[in-house]
Amino acid sequence: SYELTQPPSVSVSPGQTARITCSGDALPKKYAYWYQQKSGQAPVLVIYEDSKRPSGIPERFSGSTSGTMATLTISGAQLEDEGDYICYSTDPSDHQRGVFGTGTKVTVL
Amino acid sequence: EVRLVQSGAEVKKPGESLKISCKGSGYSFTSFWIAWVRQTPGKGLEWMGIMYPGDSDARYSPSFQGQVTMSADKSINTAYLQWTSLKASDNAIYYCARQGSLVGGYGDYWGQGTLVTVSS
Repeated sequence: SYELTQPPSVSVSPGQTARITCSGDALPKKYAYWYQQKSGQAPVLVIYEDSKRPSGIPERFSGSTSGTMATLTISGAQLEDEGDYICYSTDPSDHQRGVFGTGTKVTVL
Repeated sequence: EVRLVQSGAEVKKPGESLKISCKGSGYSFTSFWIAWVRQTPGKGLEWMGIMYPGDSDARYSPSFQGQVTMSADKSINTAYLQWTSLKASDNAIYYCARQGSLVGGYGDYWGQGTLVTVSS
């Protein structure tokens, strides 16, 4: 089955840049999406279609893709950005099925 | 404002049945798909399947086919996720999410989650 692989954790100092990667063989052909999930809360969409930002998401969140890797960048990380970040895409062998990444815990300290 | 409001936490015994709900508001409920997502500490987020409230068309991820049933009552803008016989492995938080399309879609708005605890 299709997998999206993320690093388990990323640490960043306040004001610095955090980069979270998501690796998947089909990412050159399928969009990547990113969700932020804070402790005890539902996921929130922060990037869709590789690099688009939903209304209300701060400009410090940006997305990009290169080959089989998608990257979420938090420029000027703030304490409130701490949480889990999970990538999402579509199964290339079943276009109706969604697949979530393994998740990355971002610590801002 | 788009909102998905899920039913409250449930505590059940193995073998019991359960139906949890997800009520949509602030948009045309029958024009969007509803996806269901399971979250566990061990496996993270898992996409379970998707259903279209307009005609109750449902598609299941192979891992969940035959394990759960997705349905909807469009007269009250509510989607459901149902089990006939719960197992301990069903312990999880379940989320519903609005999805704009069947193919290549994604959840743009999510419910707050329903915690399901199965314990003897």
